[in-house]
Amino acid sequence: DAKTTQPTSMDCAEGRAANLPCNHSTISGNEYVYWYRQIHSQGPQYIIHGLKNNETNEMASLIITEDRKSSTLILPHATLRDTAVYYCIVTTGNQFYFGTGTSLTVIP
Amino acid sequence: EPEVTQTPSHQVTQMGQEVILRCVPISNHLYFYWYRQILGQKVEFLVSFYNNEISEKSEIFDDQFSVERPDGSNFTLKIRSTKLEDSAMYFCASSLSQGRASPLHFGNGTRLTVT
Repeated sequence: DAKTTQPTSMDCAEGRAANLPCNHSTISGNEYVYWYRQIHSQGPQYIIHGLKNNETNEMASLIITEDRKSSTLILPHATLRDTAVYYCIVTTGNQFYFGTGTSLTVIP
Repeated sequence: EPEVTQTPSHQVTQMGQEVILRCVPISNHLYFYWYRQILGQKVEFLVSFYNNEISEKSEIFDDQFSVERPDGSNFTLKIRSTKLEDSAMYFCASSLSQGRASPLHFGNGTRLTVT
């Protein structure tokens, strides 16, 4: 599975959009991009995934560049409850390997 | 929304004792997993299970570990003789199918403390 690179930490003001980047320059054509988050040692929570096209659900939007070498998770209106570690995972199957992720802090 | 449930939420055991961690996956899911997270470290894959057998395991999953689906609803992780370094959060996960478009859904974990 392709390796991903994420910033270690980010801050976002409450109510603003949080944009979390992920680089996956070695992604192959059959790999999906998944995003999970982990709030204070709870179980990882699935957010969204995509292959090529941008995706949106009730939690977030996923923007994948045309060359698929990077993506951005967007939380449109961040709340304090969105403070968590966010993981970008690229996978060909069901083996999800978690890196260190981005620690997002939403500031009041 | 259906969810993965894990019991107990916290287990304290003495070194050398056997422990069984229990999970109830989402009811129509077919693939089951255990992950662990040592405090302050990454979430690590342990094992995947399908059709009543292990489909993949990591090097962490040695002979001290075993998994079982004893009935149609439970999925268990057994550690035969616990060591201090087994202290961690253990997360169960399940997925509907195996494939790139099938997300894993995780429970909230069991915190295992070995003393």
